[in-house]
Amino acid sequence: AQTVTQSQPEMSVQEAETVTLSCTYDTSENNYYLFWYKQPPSRQMILVIRQEAYKQQNATENRFSVNFQKAAKSFSLKISDSQLGDTAMYFCAFMKLSGAGSYQLTFGKGTKLSVIP
Amino acid sequence: DGGITQSPKYLFRKEGQNVTLSCEQNLNHDAMYWYRQDPGQGLRLIYYSQIVNDFQKGDIAEGYSVSREKKESFPLTVTSAQKNPTAFYLCASSIELNRPNYNSPLHFGNGTRLTVT
Repeated sequence: AQTVTQSQPEMSVQEAETVTLSCTYDTSENNYYLFWYKQPPSRQMILVIRQEAYKQQNATENRFSVNFQKAAKSFSLKISDSQLGDTAMYFCAFMKLSGAGSYQLTFGKGTKLSVIP
Repeated sequence: DGGITQSPKYLFRKEGQNVTLSCEQNLNHDAMYWYRQDPGQGLRLIYYSQIVNDFQKGDIAEGYSVSREKKESFPLTVTSAQKNPTAFYLCASSIELNRPNYNSPLHFGNGTRLTVT
């Protein structure tokens, strides 16, 4: 079974600064997808960024980027120029593409990020 | 606009009563899911369904039941056998369970907060 670990239950960052949220995962699969979801106080789940395991290039979406280290099974999220609207829970998620449980998302326990004015 | 509707937003029940949470989608998605969210636990899969009249247990199915009589609807019943039912429940859907949907793996509803006293 896959596991996803987010080691930082809570983090804070000053507005306009940069913050990195960590995520590690454990799998024997070679082909899979990784995602970061954001859950603001409204509790709506929002897809932030995604990464295909076979792509070495790190994904980027505006102020959000990832550092994907496949060998280390690490998938950290960097938020640049933090904004007050980035305050939310952030969940790392893993999707395997073959075998039992494929195409289902396994979530980490989340990191609560607070952006301080 | 297409989306997933969960109702009600807040639900209160007395211990020992069964309660059903509604989830409706108009995205024409084949697969639907129920997740439970507890503080510090992330999202845990309760049940999922690939097609009408078929569903599978997730990681924490005990004390829950589902039905999938229509493609659009996937109600979740929290039975009196669920030992700790107070939680936030999220419904989600995806295009097709057995085909990777990289760009948007899951669409989520806004959730139902269930409180049992």
